[in-house]
Amino acid sequence: DAGVIQSPRHEVTEMGQEVTLRCKPISGHDYLFWYRQTMMRGLELLIYFNNNVPIDDSGMPEDRFSAKMPNASFSTLKIQPSEPRDSAVYFCASSDSGGAYDTQYFGPGTRLTVL
Amino acid sequence: DAKTTQPNSMESNEEEPVHLPCNHSTISGTDYIHWYRQLPSQGPEYVIHGLTSNVNNRMASLAIAEDRKSSTLILHRATLRDAAVYYCILQGAQKLVFGQGTRLTINP
Repeated sequence: DAGVIQSPRHEVTEMGQEVTLRCKPISGHDYLFWYRQTMMRGLELLIYFNNNVPIDDSGMPEDRFSAKMPNASFSTLKIQPSEPRDSAVYFCASSDSGGAYDTQYFGPGTRLTVL
Repeated sequence: DAKTTQPNSMESNEEEPVHLPCNHSTISGTDYIHWYRQLPSQGPEYVIHGLTSNVNNRMASLAIAEDRKSSTLILHRATLRDAAVYYCILQGAQKLVFGQGTRLTINP
């Protein structure tokens, strides 16, 4: 298995532009998670899906952020319009059952820089 | 979410054992104790998890106190590749809540 795949690996954009980050979870996993990592705040959970349905989006910072999962093998995190404070590494992770004993598998991350 | 407390940093020498402590005094009866690590410029990766009993796998061992209010991740023979940030996390449901972790430095 190729693991969790994220694209692009690096994204540089200008303030005000729309940014779309993509994630392909491990096949057969029912849960998908989006995290953001910054030096100041560490790793934060933004949103997670179960069977393509958003379950908890309480970590999404504001309305400029949106996430979708149109099918079991693809998810997007969109920022519109982007701001310099959105600069961070964004990770996608997936897990099988989502139980308290379950393991999350993380992708390599997308490093976003907003100028 | 129950909180964990870890030292900010630790240092050890190559080929020596490393004991990484974690305090979680507010752990609930259904919380699993998970350890992840993050190597430089990579996503977090799973290391080990347990509920009540000590656990061993090919990467590490997890020692859990009898009252479950603390645990210790044990790397039996550290290598330079083990230099990473190690996170101790209590997982009661689907969500992982990451703290600041312990930055482990391995000296050659």
